Amino acid sequence: DADVTQTPRNRITKTGKRIMLECSQTKGHDRMYWYRQDPGLGLRLIYYSFDVKDINKGEISDGYSVSRQAQAKFSLSLESAIPNQTALYFCAAAGVGAVDTQYFGPGTRLTVL
Amino acid sequence: QKEVEQNSGPLSVPEGAIASLNCTYSDRGSQSFFWYRQYSGKSPELIMFIYSNGDKEDGRFTAQLNKASQYVSLLIRDSQPSDSATYLCAVNRGGSQGNLIFGKGTKLSVKP
Repeated sequence: DADVTQTPRNRITKTGKRIMLECSQTKGHDRMYWYRQDPGLGLRLIYYSFDVKDINKGEISDGYSVSRQAQAKFSLSLESAIPNQTALYFCAAAGVGAVDTQYFGPGTRLTVL
Repeated sequence: QKEVEQNSGPLSVPEGAIASLNCTYSDRGSQSFFWYRQYSGKSPELIMFIYSNGDKEDGRFTAQLNKASQYVSLLIRDSQPSDSATYLCAVNRGGSQGNLIFGKGTKLSVKP
């Protein structure tokens, strides 16, 4: 697997605060992704990156921004957190091949009060 | 029309039985199909993928793909209580260079 790590694992913050979630992977995969998961709504793609110079919006990018600082690092920021951004956030990484399997990090549980 | 559909369950089977999980997808250009297992509060874990019509077996798991019917399934033989989890079907949308569309998952409960 891609050995994907995420920090922090849990975070409680207040409305209006800026929050950064960090993701690192150790397998040298080019592609990285940020998802959020909400009960009943499944996994939804926020942003994805196919290499350091390539950043793309997913289906729910409003209110979020990302930075691909290096091949191994992909950060997600909430510029001004709001309560409906309370969710479980996952980072994933994937190599390039015939079948682009995504491997997930352990997740960050974010609560916005 | 939802792109990837799964019955939310819960699907309850007795220990030792075969659990059958189903998934349909709408994009005929989809090329690769994935099954992930997710325990409550944990991250999705890849079980297996399939990209050719027919069956693919890996231990107690068998994935089945029928592109004509736009249908993919996962069979779990000799189900164990430890198989109790939510199973996510994911489809690689053709042309999106590796983006996966996930179903909402089917919750499986294996009763001892």
